Amino acid sequence: DILLTQTPLSLSVTPGQPASISCKSDRSLLHSSGRTYLYWYLHKPGQPPQLLIYEVSNRFSGVPDRFSGSGSGTDFTLKIRRVEAEDVGVYYCMQSLHLPYTFGQGTKLEIK
Amino acid sequence: QVHLVESGGGVVQPGRSLRLSCAASGFTFRSYVMDWVRQAPGKGLEWVAVISHDSEAIFYADSVKGRFTISRDNSKNTLFLEMNSLRPDDTAVYFCARGSTIATFDYWGRGTLVTVSS
Repeated sequence: DILLTQTPLSLSVTPGQPASISCKSDRSLLHSSGRTYLYWYLHKPGQPPQLLIYEVSNRFSGVPDRFSGSGSGTDFTLKIRRVEAEDVGVYYCMQSLHLPYTFGQGTKLEIK
Repeated sequence: QVHLVESGGGVVQPGRSLRLSCAASGFTFRSYVMDWVRQAPGKGLEWVAVISHDSEAIFYADSVKGRFTISRDNSKNTLFLEMNSLRPDDTAVYFCARGSTIATFDYWGRGTLVTVSS
């Protein structure tokens, strides 16, 4: 199984400040097609998980542009340019290059 | 508007069975891959199973293989998860999620809680 390791596991951020989460894979997530199957999700308390970023760097419909994704191969990063109170929750990276699909451990974002 | 609603969760004794359902609306259900993902209490997300749009391709996580069966009824826009020989470590919130050409899971339901306990 592909192992995804997220750091940090928790984050406490002052509103208006940036935040960054790393996701490292033990194998490249680059497909022969040129697509990289790495996604970012946010799971807010009491809500279903929501897709933020697909294929490393593409924001999903309705996702604010303060969220951005970057990286390649095995190293990926989710950045929030200016954290807002509504961004609290647990952030997960996920890969779907190989079955079983696997998730990172999750990074809990809190507001200071 | 994509809408996924899970049902069928509850408290069940170890070794017993339970069937979960996921009612889909707001999109052409028969055209999409569907998955089940679970979250044990205090833990992260774990993929459970996937079924292609026509039920021809089905895959399971090793942790549920041979005990769980994913299926769908495209005429009723409903996804199912038949869970047999349940164990305490199957205790989790079970989410159904839609797969698309954009993302493996682009929309999720709110989940249904399954508790396996004597």
